[in-house]
Amino acid sequence: AQTVTQSQPEMSVQEAETVTLSCTYDTSESDYYLFWYKQPPSRQMILVIRQEAYKQQNATENRFSVNFQKAAKSFSLKISDSQLGDAAMYFCAYRSVQGGSEKLVFGKGMKLTVNP
Amino acid sequence: EPEVTQTPSHQVTQMGQEVILRCVPISNHLYFYWYRQILGQKVEFLVSFYNNEISEKSEIFDDQFSVERPDGSNFTLKIRSTKLEDSAMYFCASSGWSEKLFFGSGTQLSVL
Repeated sequence: AQTVTQSQPEMSVQEAETVTLSCTYDTSESDYYLFWYKQPPSRQMILVIRQEAYKQQNATENRFSVNFQKAAKSFSLKISDSQLGDAAMYFCAYRSVQGGSEKLVFGKGMKLTVNP
Repeated sequence: EPEVTQTPSHQVTQMGQEVILRCVPISNHLYFYWYRQILGQKVEFLVSFYNNEISEKSEIFDDQFSVERPDGSNFTLKIRSTKLEDSAMYFCASSGWSEKLFFGSGTQLSVL
């Protein structure tokens, strides 16, 4: 079974600075998807960015980018120019491509605080 | 942008009572899901639904749980006899042919 690990339960960053959130996962599959979801205090799950494992190029969405290291099974999220609205729980998630499983497997999450 | 809508936002019930959580997925989506998040813990998969049947379910999704798409637009999660440990935020999600899941805002279920 796949597992997702977020080893840092909390982080803080100063407004306008850059922060990197770490995530590792375990799988025997060669193709899969990885996601970062943001959960603000409203508790809605908002997709931040996704990466397809067969793509070597790291995904980027505006201030958000990932560092995907397939061999190391690492998938970190970099937030540039941090804003107060970035404060939230961030969850890393894995989804299989093969075998018909559509479920997302989430990590435990990490609480990001943005200091003004 | 289209949204997944969940009602109610909060539900309080007595232990042993039945509850139905409702969701309206995005209209042209084909895959539907329920996840739950106990306060302070990770989001856990419950069940996926496709072509009017359950396609996958987790160990959490026991006989007390059922899902239904009664009218082609709503997607419901029923808990027959609630337990204290069912207290959680329940998220509905839907997707089309892509891997991108759209989540609703959740229903906070409190079992007393």
